[in-house]
Amino acid sequence: GDSVTQMEGPVTLSEEACLTINCTYTATGYPSLFWYVQYPGEGLQLLLKATKADDKGSNKGFEATYRKETTSFHLEKGSVQVSDSAVYFCALSDRAGGTSYGKLTFGQGTILTVHP
Amino acid sequence: GAGVSQTPSNKVTEKGKYVELRCDPISGHTALYWYRQSLGQGPEFLIYFQGTGAADDSGLPNDRFFAVRPEGSVSTLKIQRTERGDSAVYLCASSEWPGQGYEQYFGPGTRLTVT
Repeated sequence: GDSVTQMEGPVTLSEEACLTINCTYTATGYPSLFWYVQYPGEGLQLLLKATKADDKGSNKGFEATYRKETTSFHLEKGSVQVSDSAVYFCALSDRAGGTSYGKLTFGQGTILTVHP
Repeated sequence: GAGVSQTPSNKVTEKGKYVELRCDPISGHTALYWYRQSLGQGPEFLIYFQGTGAADDSGLPNDRFFAVRPEGSVSTLKIQRTERGDSAVYLCASSEWPGQGYEQYFGPGTRLTVT
């Protein structure tokens, strides 16, 4: 079955540091890949997505590239801010047999804390 | 506009009791999903509705769990004979249409605690 593995956390950084959160996946079909973010006290929200190999998703200074050869979708940001402190989830939505209805499979989440 | 809402936000119940969790999706969204998030874990899929019908209930853990969406809008997740292991945050999400290309919008969740 489908699965998503994220790097062990939590991650603690100083403001303006570089961020990488690793994500690898296993899928039987043709997945789309996502990063969701959960800010303190708020619900899950989509951060970025990529729908096919070599696509790059980007939003709010975050980027992730869909790497089919390494089955990875690592999240990166060049300079983090205190306001980026949140829990980040990598997820996939598979399309097996040509059909998909959007069911998401999530990784376990990575807690990011950014200090001033 | 209004997002996905879930009620109650918190529910504490005793082991063996019955609970209902409600989800109000974004108006006009045809697809509705339920997920369960245990402490320190990512959300896990429970059930998906397309309109009024449950198109995939493969994530429901056992027959104590049941969900309905009678008019194709509001959905209720029902748990019978609750167990302590059912304690988790139950998330609802909706999207305009089903499929990989449509963003799922999540509600704030219902935190269920079974004592």
